[in-house]
Amino acid sequence: EPEVTQTPSHQVTQMGQEVILRCVPISNHLYFYWYRQILGQKVEFLVSFYNNEISEKSEIFDDQFSVERPDGSNFTLKIRSTKLEDSAMYFCASSGTGHLYQETQYFGPGTRLLVL
Amino acid sequence: EDKVVQSPLSLVVHEGDTVTLNCSYEVTNFRSLLWYKQEKKAPTFLFMLTSSGIEKKSGRLSSILDKKELFSILNITATQTGDSAIYLCAVPGGSNYKLTFGKGTLLTVNP
Repeated sequence: EPEVTQTPSHQVTQMGQEVILRCVPISNHLYFYWYRQILGQKVEFLVSFYNNEISEKSEIFDDQFSVERPDGSNFTLKIRSTKLEDSAMYFCASSGTGHLYQETQYFGPGTRLLVL
Repeated sequence: EDKVVQSPLSLVVHEGDTVTLNCSYEVTNFRSLLWYKQEKKAPTFLFMLTSSGIEKKSGRLSSILDKKELFSILNITATQTGDSAIYLCAVPGGSNYKLTFGKGTLLTVNP
């Protein structure tokens, strides 16, 4: 069964460093998302991406964040200068096209980011 | 702003019990409601509900939506220890279907 994959599974970094989180969405999906979950809190939307551009972003997704689809399979989230409060689990999700299919998002296993 | 409230926040039961998890929502333009199961990491998709009163069923899990009262329930019958997880309710919103999640219900099934 097709699935979303993410690498790395864990990342430890120093405050101020740049990190890139990688995702491979399900192959025929066209809508891509990043969410994050701070320990003990809700899953929160960060950004959605369609047709090679950001389609929507949350207040959390400020100038230190960026997303890219560098090739036909990968989807990346970059945090330019990490802060302590960026420590969280980051989930990538993807969905297909068409009514109902677009609304059903499939999630990857997540990257646990720890900023020291 | 879309809002999803789940109850209870946590629940401890014994194997074989039946549980009912609740989700109420407020959303500007309702399209659907989704249930996910989160074990150690990723939320895994369980159900998508769009129509009132139509039960979705998968094995021992079932779910139903009430669009008039703006809530959904997830039932699990004959619970097993493998059902222990956080159950998340979410609604897609905006023009790009971003999901708004509830806090989840932590279900613990003891042997």
